[in-house]
Amino acid sequence: DGGITQSPKYLFRKEGQNVTLSCEQNLNHDAMYWYRQDPGQGLRLIYYSQIVNDFQKGDIAEGYSVSREKKESFPLTVTSAQKNPTAFYLCASSIDLGTREQFFGPGTRLTVL
Amino acid sequence: GNSVTQMEGPVTLSEEAFLTINCTYTATGYPSLFWYVQYPGEGLQLLLKATKADDKGSNKGFEATYRKETTSFHLEKGSVQVSDSAVYFCALSDPGNTDKLIFGTGTRLQVFP
Repeated sequence: DGGITQSPKYLFRKEGQNVTLSCEQNLNHDAMYWYRQDPGQGLRLIYYSQIVNDFQKGDIAEGYSVSREKKESFPLTVTSAQKNPTAFYLCASSIDLGTREQFFGPGTRLTVL
Repeated sequence: GNSVTQMEGPVTLSEEAFLTINCTYTATGYPSLFWYVQYPGEGLQLLLKATKADDKGSNKGFEATYRKETTSFHLEKGSVQVSDSAVYFCALSDPGNTDKLIFGTGTRLQVFP
């Protein structure tokens, strides 16, 4: 089955540690996205990538970093510079034409202790 | 700039009641419009979409019509079920930057038996 996988589902880290969230897709989509969702809130765009080896900052990129070395993979690193990293993180992908409909992964809930 | 405005929730209904969740948008061009649904602890799933004025998107008993004259895309269902309880997000593709979706803040629906 084609889709987007995010791992792990739940992640716990100590304050001051960097942590990397995984996102893999086998939909052959060119574009990939990372969003942050806080309780009771909407989605905020962190980073997005239209093509391998290229990515752009979204609305809240500070304290985060990404890479796009392969079309299928778009890992997100939450660095120690992110002041309030505890949140639900969603990865999405879309085909690079048409309506830009996005397909979402199941999300990773990060808790920083 | 482009934006999406949704009615605030929660919307609380009894089973078999009629549902309307309002969504209006501001866009400079001709966006595509989407409704996504998010069940607790999960990612977003596309519920329906419409790509041009007067299009009606429909899925699982839900409908929404792209109204350019009122810049609206209201979500409706004739008879809700307990299993419809979720958060619903209205979104548009940004015609100035087709790599992004712009999301509303989400509306929580609670359906009681």
